[in-house]
Amino acid sequence: SQQGEEDPQALSIQEGENATMNCSYKTSINNLQWYRQNSGRGLVHLILIRSNEREKHSGRLRVTLDTSKKSSSLLITASRAADTASYFCATDESGGSNYKLTFGKGTLLTVNP
Amino acid sequence: DSGVTQTPKHLITATGQRVTLRCSPRSGDLSVYWYQQSLDQGLQFLIQYYNGEERAKGNILERFSAQQFPDLHSELNLSSLELGDSALYFCASSRRGDIQYFGAGTRLSVL
Repeated sequence: SQQGEEDPQALSIQEGENATMNCSYKTSINNLQWYRQNSGRGLVHLILIRSNEREKHSGRLRVTLDTSKKSSSLLITASRAADTASYFCATDESGGSNYKLTFGKGTLLTVNP
Repeated sequence: DSGVTQTPKHLITATGQRVTLRCSPRSGDLSVYWYQQSLDQGLQFLIQYYNGEERAKGNILERFSAQQFPDLHSELNLSSLELGDSALYFCASSRRGDIQYFGAGTRLSVL
């Protein structure tokens, strides 16, 4: 079953615009992560936000987390054609050495040059 | 390059056959995770090993099995293959357990 659900499923924007993707989840979490996947390739970790954090930045990425609403958003500013990819949120369901991540179905972002 | 190596990159086989997918984790990573990605099911967690021991199980079919060897590489065995097993299979590894580093995947086509 999917823990995280991304919204929208697909997003098409022009280069230079900002892209916002949302993720909702169902259970309590220790942290939430965002990953990127270029078509048919492996996932690449982008950013991790812990449950006691509300906002985190990394370069052109900004992630927010609202644990009361069980939701997160990923903002990519000044998008580039190279940002075209699928973006997944992932939540952990256990701690210690058993970090089983549950991924959403992803948002397909297309950045048009 | 994530440092996680998966072989083979592509695998084409017939229904009823058995295949083995191999994964070498990043140097120093003790945890290995296997995922299946298909269009209809998305990215599904299959199984996790930590330092040779099975630690967590997800939606792994009984026809599938995995193991992690003393040198920490892992193998995922898929048997009695069905058309629906066609998918991308990813291996990931981690050190502390939170951030996972993914391999490039093995694309399995069952004909």
